[in-house]
Amino acid sequence: DAKTTQPNSMESNEEEPVHLPCNHSTISGTDYIHWYRQLPSQGPEYVIHGLTSNVNNRMASLAIAEDRKSSTLILHRATLRDAAVYYCILRDGVLNHGNKLVFGAGTILRVKS
Amino acid sequence: DTAVSQTPKYLVTQMGNDKSIKCEQNLGHDTMYWYKQDSKKFLKIMFSYNNKELIINETVPNRFSPKSPDKAHLNLHINSLELGDSAVYFCASSQVDRSSYEQYFGPGTRLTVT
Repeated sequence: DAKTTQPNSMESNEEEPVHLPCNHSTISGTDYIHWYRQLPSQGPEYVIHGLTSNVNNRMASLAIAEDRKSSTLILHRATLRDAAVYYCILRDGVLNHGNKLVFGAGTILRVKS
Repeated sequence: DTAVSQTPKYLVTQMGNDKSIKCEQNLGHDTMYWYKQDSKKFLKIMFSYNNKELIINETVPNRFSPKSPDKAHLNLHINSLELGDSAVYFCASSQVDRSSYEQYFGPGTRLTVT
């Protein structure tokens, strides 16, 4: 399983942007980059995913390096409700691999008011 | 309406007992999963079913047996419960295709074995 490296924790001020980095130097050409988050006492929640191009949705933006060996999840204005563990996950896009998600330790994001 | 629901939310039982956790999804997805999150908060996949067929079976003791009566349900039965089985178990579902792969997770079932 392709591995990702994330900082253990980060801290942000409310209403400010947050950039959560992820390194995935062993990424293969068929790996999609997925981000999930887990709020306290809840199940993980999908945030965003991409393959090569930067992606935007209502929750966040995903910036992918040109060589795809790193990516950054961007929360444009952090709120207290964004305090969670953020997971960067590589998913093999080849269907017969079962489409499993391999979660690492993630980054604990703390948001200060 | 809850997309992925699990019952029970909490389960406290003694070692040696047999218990089941139920999962239902109303999203029309074709694939369902069971994950285990231990006390150190690591989430690990246990099983995955696609259209009622087992497609992922990670290294899990034989005491754990998933059962999928139909595409909307994936239950987890655990025999002879041990202390180490204490964890939060999450069910998830997704519609599998090559480009889109959101997994929707249930709220979790906290299992405590005493």
